[in-house]
Amino acid sequence: EVQLVESGGGLVQPGRSLKLSCAASGFTFSNYGMAWVRQAPTKGLEWVATISYDGSSTYYRDSVKGRFTISRDNAKSTLYLQMDSLRSEDTATYYCARHRKTNVMDAWGQGASVTVSS
Amino acid sequence: DVQMTQSPSNLAASPGESVSINCKASKSISKYLAWYQQKPGKANKLLIYSGSTLQSGTPSRFSGSGSGTDFTLTIRNLEPEDFGLYYCQQHNEYPWTFGGGTKLELK
Repeated sequence: EVQLVESGGGLVQPGRSLKLSCAASGFTFSNYGMAWVRQAPTKGLEWVATISYDGSSTYYRDSVKGRFTISRDNAKSTLYLQMDSLRSEDTATYYCARHRKTNVMDAWGQGASVTVSS
Repeated sequence: DVQMTQSPSNLAASPGESVSINCKASKSISKYLAWYQQKPGKANKLLIYSGSTLQSGTPSRFSGSGSGTDFTLTIRNLEPEDFGLYYCQQHNEYPWTFGGGTKLELK
């Protein structure tokens, strides 16, 4: 069974950093691209970043470019999202998702909550 | 960025009925439109991709149609487990963008 489990969320002050992790199991992690998608309270889904299966390519939405870094450790089957210079508008539940070559996300985690507030 | 406009925002129906949810892209995305279901306490679920291709495990009462800028998700013979939130997503180009969501509620 495919499982994606996020961790590392919490309350953080504006301007500070936080690192999310996503532990994957039930599939060959190194064969798949991975993504982070977020959802602000009472809002819709918003794609954040994507990384290729081998980590050689990364893509970000404009509002997080230069502040967030997506990375992966295929030996540990783990995806990361380093979030720096956090802003109140980054407050959201962050979902880890597996994506296919067709750019659709066919497996999702339950999400990690991030609150940016003083 | 490709803007995705979903309608309606809310929809009330009864089990056994059929419903349709629409998604309009601000420019052509060819056939590259996906539909997801979101329910409290459950992982988001991919239902359909590339406009009309059912993801493995998606019941046949779900169907997708459309191309270019206009797409539709149809659910026939609603089951109790179908009530929840539905989102469309264009997977044609970065940044991937989602519609605002449709809440399907029990009438």
